[in-house]
Amino acid sequence: KQEVTQIPAALSVPEGENLVLNCSFTDSAIYNLQWFRQDPGKGLTSLLLIQSSQREQTSGRLNASLDKSSGRSTLYIAASQPGDSATYLCAVSSQTGANNLFFGTGTRLTVIP
Amino acid sequence: NAGVTQTPKFQVLKTGQSMTLQCAQDMNHEYMSWYRQDPGMGLRLIHYSVGAGITDQGEVPNGYNVSRSTTEDFPLRLLSAAPSQTSVYFCASRRRQGARQPQHFGDGTRLSIL
Repeated sequence: KQEVTQIPAALSVPEGENLVLNCSFTDSAIYNLQWFRQDPGKGLTSLLLIQSSQREQTSGRLNASLDKSSGRSTLYIAASQPGDSATYLCAVSSQTGANNLFFGTGTRLTVIP
Repeated sequence: NAGVTQTPKFQVLKTGQSMTLQCAQDMNHEYMSWYRQDPGMGLRLIHYSVGAGITDQGEVPNGYNVSRSTTEDFPLRLLSAAPSQTSVYFCASRRRQGARQPQHFGDGTRLSIL
């Protein structure tokens, strides 16, 4: 069974800092990897989707990388802002069950003004 | 665009009661799914549907039923609520089955079973 781990569980940074969130998965046979943002009491918002054949995706200040062979992904946030404060979730879709997303437990990010 | 709409947002039930969590999407998405989110655990798939009339079990289906009579709606039924089903439930949809499109999530239903 696919296991997804996110480290750290929580992170506090001052405004303006660049930061990296980490995600690792145990089975490298994935279709894609997706990063989500979850605000308190809200649903999940898709940030970036990386197909298994891709190495990275960028959207604005966000850059996600994928190293499938080592089972790792990173989410890089440039010039962090207080509005970036949220929980960030990583999820992978495996080749043997493409309809199922396997989620990590998330990294709770706080950006201090 | 409403996206994925879940009702109710909050619900308290007594053990043994039954209820239906509603999910509707207005994006003409073929694929819909239900997840539950528990503290310290990642979201886990309960049931999913790849189109009207087709449903299948996910990772944690016991105690739940689903049906998909229309493309838009995918209700989740708790047959006899148990305290272990206290959780936040999320409905999600995607344009098609297969993994090349992002999933869109509703805001969740927070369910407490006493």
